[in-house]
Amino acid sequence: SQELEQSPQSLIVQEGKNLTINCTSSKTLYGLYWYKQKYGEGLIFLMMLQKGGEEKSHEKITAKLDEKKQQSSLHITASQPSHAGIYLCGADGSGNTGKLIFGQGTTLQVKP
Amino acid sequence: EAGVVQSPRYKIIEKKQPVAFWCNPISGHNTLYWYLQNLGQGPELLIRYENEEAVDDSQLPKDRFSAERLKGVDSTLKIQPAELGDSAVYLCASSLGGANSPLHFGNGTRLTVT
Repeated sequence: SQELEQSPQSLIVQEGKNLTINCTSSKTLYGLYWYKQKYGEGLIFLMMLQKGGEEKSHEKITAKLDEKKQQSSLHITASQPSHAGIYLCGADGSGNTGKLIFGQGTTLQVKP
Repeated sequence: EAGVVQSPRYKIIEKKQPVAFWCNPISGHNTLYWYLQNLGQGPELLIRYENEEAVDDSQLPKDRFSAERLKGVDSTLKIQPAELGDSAVYLCASSLGGANSPLHFGNGTRLTVT
């Protein structure tokens, strides 16, 4: 079965700094999703990447998909306290079925 | 558009007691999911519905867990009897279905079994 591994597991950055979170799959990626979760709440959909080399941005968050490396990265530019939370990557483990498996999450703290 | 609604938000029960969680998906979303999330981990799929049909329940512990989605809209997840290890957050999600349809999650039900 497919597994997703995220790195780092946790991250503390100073406000204004850039950061990158990685998500590596054990198998071929059929679409890669990024979510954000605040403690005690559900997952908020950020972005979906479908093709190798695809890059998407939303405000100060950019995600890229490297299909050959079976990896995706999430980059935050000029981090703010509002970026704090848990970032999770999800992938369709069965190939275009809509069934998502998730990584273990990366906890981000942003110090003012 | 209203999001996925779950209730209750919190539930504390004693072991061996039954418990039920309710989910109302986003209107028009045919696919509904129940996920379990343990502290510090990503969500794990329990069951997936396409309309009223359970199309993937391979990870649902059927000796104590059951789910239903009778009219293809709302869904209920039940545990009977609950065990200490069932303490977790139970998340419901819905999507339009098929490939490349993002899942939209509710806020979850945090279950504590004492």
